[in-house]
Amino acid sequence: NSKVIQTPRYLVKGQGQKAKMRCIPEKGHPVVFWYQQNKNNEFKFLINFQNQEVLQQIDMTEKRFSAECPSNSPCSLEIQSSEAGDSALYLCASSRTISNERLFFGHGTKLSVL
Amino acid sequence: GDSVTQTEGPVTVSESESLIINCTYSATSIAYPNLFWYVRYPGEGLQLLLKVITAGQKGSSRGFEATYNKETTSFHLQKASVQESDSAVYYCALGQQGTGSKLSFGKGAKLTVSP
Repeated sequence: NSKVIQTPRYLVKGQGQKAKMRCIPEKGHPVVFWYQQNKNNEFKFLINFQNQEVLQQIDMTEKRFSAECPSNSPCSLEIQSSEAGDSALYLCASSRTISNERLFFGHGTKLSVL
Repeated sequence: GDSVTQTEGPVTVSESESLIINCTYSATSIAYPNLFWYVRYPGEGLQLLLKVITAGQKGSSRGFEATYNKETTSFHLQKASVQESDSAVYYCALGQQGTGSKLSFGKGAKLTVSP
């Protein structure tokens, strides 16, 4: 069973609404990734953190998404104004070190934007 | 850019038969690619099946094997005799050595093993 906890499992929003999802990484894992898996099963990397610092992010994430990993709180990914094309499975993964590519994934949050 | 192309599901195999799921990669921006197979069993999150970071080496786990072939840019997943419990979705992935940077995933192959 996954030790990366993502909530909620399912999220339904209307276009233009905010959509927020959370992730608790595996204990002791300071590196956190967010990926988007669309209906065609294509993965898109969104952003990653080491502790509270952003390491990398794509343009889309900079413009319409906000993400953070505060200390002693769950990480979060928020879409400011949801679009139909944002409907996807959002996967959070954590890793023990920056050089350890073994990722531990949560079950994901399935977002449907109506 | 960096990308992975793999057999896309569904793949149906009878129990005790052999399996191969093809994976080829393109690593234009990665000097030392690492290659992975991840698996999603029903009801579970993605998890690492095996990983190889050196060209020419073979990784193995749970009876599955994959050899990192730099000449053919391939990392095919094989198993000699599948079991019903192997039914899952298998993803090939490519990453950069040692930096913890993002992985590039294939689209996944849904394997169904029939009894």
